[in-house]
Amino acid sequence: EDQVTQSPEALRLQEGESSSLNCSYTVSGLRGLFWYRQDPGKGPEFLFTLYSAGEEKEKERLKATLTKKESFLHITAPKPEDSATYLCAVGSGGYNKLIFGAGTRLAVHP
Amino acid sequence: DVKVTQSSRYLVKRTGEKVFLECVQDMDHENMFWYRQDPGLGLRLIYFSYDVKMKEKGDIPEGYSVSREKKERFSLILESASTNQTSMYLCASSFSDGSGNTIYFGEGSWLTVV
Repeated sequence: EDQVTQSPEALRLQEGESSSLNCSYTVSGLRGLFWYRQDPGKGPEFLFTLYSAGEEKEKERLKATLTKKESFLHITAPKPEDSATYLCAVGSGGYNKLIFGAGTRLAVHP
Repeated sequence: DVKVTQSSRYLVKRTGEKVFLECVQDMDHENMFWYRQDPGLGLRLIYFSYDVKMKEKGDIPEGYSVSREKKERFSLILESASTNQTSMYLCASSFSDGSGNTIYFGEGSWLTVV
């Protein structure tokens, strides 16, 4: 059964304190691993797509990496505005169906 | 700019009522999706559509139906709302030219069934 697990469930950081979020997955035929950011009361906002092991993508303070079994979202020197829930999803099967993890709630304090 | 618009942000409905949630995308995407999001359960796929008048069940279709009469519009219908359908509903869309295309989401519709 296809499955996505994110850890930790919640993470509290001080401003400037770098850390990583984990997304482990089991899927029969990966068709992309997606990272989204979701602010309270809003829809998920697309961040990255990774397609193959070894691939990396960066955007401002965020860097996503992918192996054959997991992905990491590295946050370097975070700021309070980086506080959000980060969702990981894998593409499986046809028609771009996504399977989501439960998310990691990140809180960055000044 | 990518845009998926959900017409109703907040709704309160009574048990047994028929509820329509409307979604429009302006990106000429072939695929459209309806998810629901609940605390601790993440996003779960209800239905999706890959073309006009075409639909496929997702993981939790019970109690829901959908309609896609035009390419840009995808409606989610709760035939007889129940309290366990209180949730946040998210519409999304993507191109279909190959797998792994980015899926873009709307802002969400908060439905409370009393």
